[in-house]
Amino acid sequence: GQSLEQPSEVTAVEGAIVQINCTYQTSGFYGLSWYQQHDGGAPTFLSYNALDGLEETGRFSSFLSRSDSYGYLLLQELQMKDSASYFCAVRTGRRALTFGSGTRLQVQP
Amino acid sequence: NAGVTQTPKFRVLKTGQSMTLLCAQDMNHEYMYWYRQDPGMGLRLIHYSVGEGTTAKGEVPDGYNVSRLKKQNFLLGLESAAPSQTSVYFCASSYSRGQFNSPLHFGNGTRLTVT
Repeated sequence: GQSLEQPSEVTAVEGAIVQINCTYQTSGFYGLSWYQQHDGGAPTFLSYNALDGLEETGRFSSFLSRSDSYGYLLLQELQMKDSASYFCAVRTGRRALTFGSGTRLQVQP
Repeated sequence: NAGVTQTPKFRVLKTGQSMTLLCAQDMNHEYMYWYRQDPGMGLRLIHYSVGEGTTAKGEVPDGYNVSRLKKQNFLLGLESAAPSQTSVYFCASSYSRGQFNSPLHFGNGTRLTVT
C-alpha cells in the first residue's frame, strides 16, 4: 500500500517563507504532486515532480528526492490568500492519486 | 468551459435511503474519479474509471457503486446510506491516469449528511 506523512498544521507570517514536507512509502512511484485547497473549496493542482530536483512556479517551488522518498513544497513571499490546506499526493502505477492527510497553513499578518 | 460539475451540492439522507451523485466534465477527459474527504483524513479514492464503460475499485469502495455509461459522466451511487458515509464527495477528471503532465481537475464537491 501507500502512505504519506505531512505535518498537520503550519503557521507563518505574511511575507515569510514556509516549507511543507512530505515523506512517502509506496510500492511503486511515478511522481509527487501538490494540491491546494481553500476552506469550502475544491483541491487545485499546484505542481508535479517526477525527477529529483526543484521545480519553480512563481512564488511556489516543489522539491523531490526519490532516494529519500521525500519532497517539499516551498512557498515564498507569503500572502494572506495562501492560507489553505496543502496536500501531497503520489501515483503508483495503475491506480489514481493517493493523497496525504493535508497540512493546514495559517498565514498571520 | 464549465470544467467538472457535481450535483447536488448538498444533501441530507436518512439511514437506509439511496441516492446518486452526478458528475459531468466537458474537457473530454478519459479518466474520472470519486474521492471522499473527511476531517483530518485527506482525500480517499472510492472508485475510478479509465474510460467509458469501465470502472475500478479504489481504496474505500464498500457501500458505493459507480457507472460510466458516457465518457463525460461518472455516477456514484449509495444503495443504503449509513452515517459513516457522511462526508464531502469530490469528483475529478484527468486526461490520463492522475499524472504524467495531467493534473486532476476537481468539482466543487457534494456535502452529504446521513442521519
